[in-house]
Amino acid sequence: DSGVTQTPKHLITATGQRVTLRCSPRSGDLSVYWYQQSLDQGLQFLIQYYNGEERAKGNILERFSAQQFPDLHSELNLSSLELGDSALYFCASSPDPDSTLHFGNGTRLTVT
Amino acid sequence: KNEVEQSPQNLTAQEGEFITINCSYSVGISALHWLQQHPGGGIVSLFMLSSGKKKHGRLIATINIQEKHSSLHITASHPRDSAVYICAVGDYGGATNKLIFGTGTLLAVQP
Repeated sequence: DSGVTQTPKHLITATGQRVTLRCSPRSGDLSVYWYQQSLDQGLQFLIQYYNGEERAKGNILERFSAQQFPDLHSELNLSSLELGDSALYFCASSPDPDSTLHFGNGTRLTVT
Repeated sequence: KNEVEQSPQNLTAQEGEFITINCSYSVGISALHWLQQHPGGGIVSLFMLSSGKKKHGRLIATINIQEKHSSLHITASHPRDSAVYICAVGDYGGATNKLIFGTGTLLAVQP
């Protein structure tokens, strides 16, 4: 058990809809990261937060947004969903940006 | 050309064999990560290294910063080692950590 909790585990929704994925980091970890894993693109970095502030952005679409709350949990919001957004979304956390990452079990999103 | 290249893409081994997975990268990095992902499962961080060599049980990871190359070795392989092994590189400038991932090596260890 990595100590990183992601909910829900599975999500099935229709095109055009909006969903929210949730991540609770390991106790004490201030950095939270979101990644997307799809069959055609592999793993891609989406966004990083550190102690509530956005620190880095990767290949995150404008339809996607995220935030980290004062209790350090994070949410990834995906809107106007398209079939191509179907993927595994992983959250990871670390005490600080240059430490080992601990990954959650992922949320599998299926857009129909 | 991808910034992180792994080889081989697929590897089948017999139980007990010594296994090597390679990773080459073309960008400046602060550290390199080796990750393990079991089918349908989550991701586990095996190593994070910025120089030299690290060992954990039957796993050994090495990195040559000058040659921009890393290897992951598995000694006395076992069927439970069957998984996808992913190399990722990160540059921690400005307190950021934007990992760039390789495409992974699918390892199957047969009994």
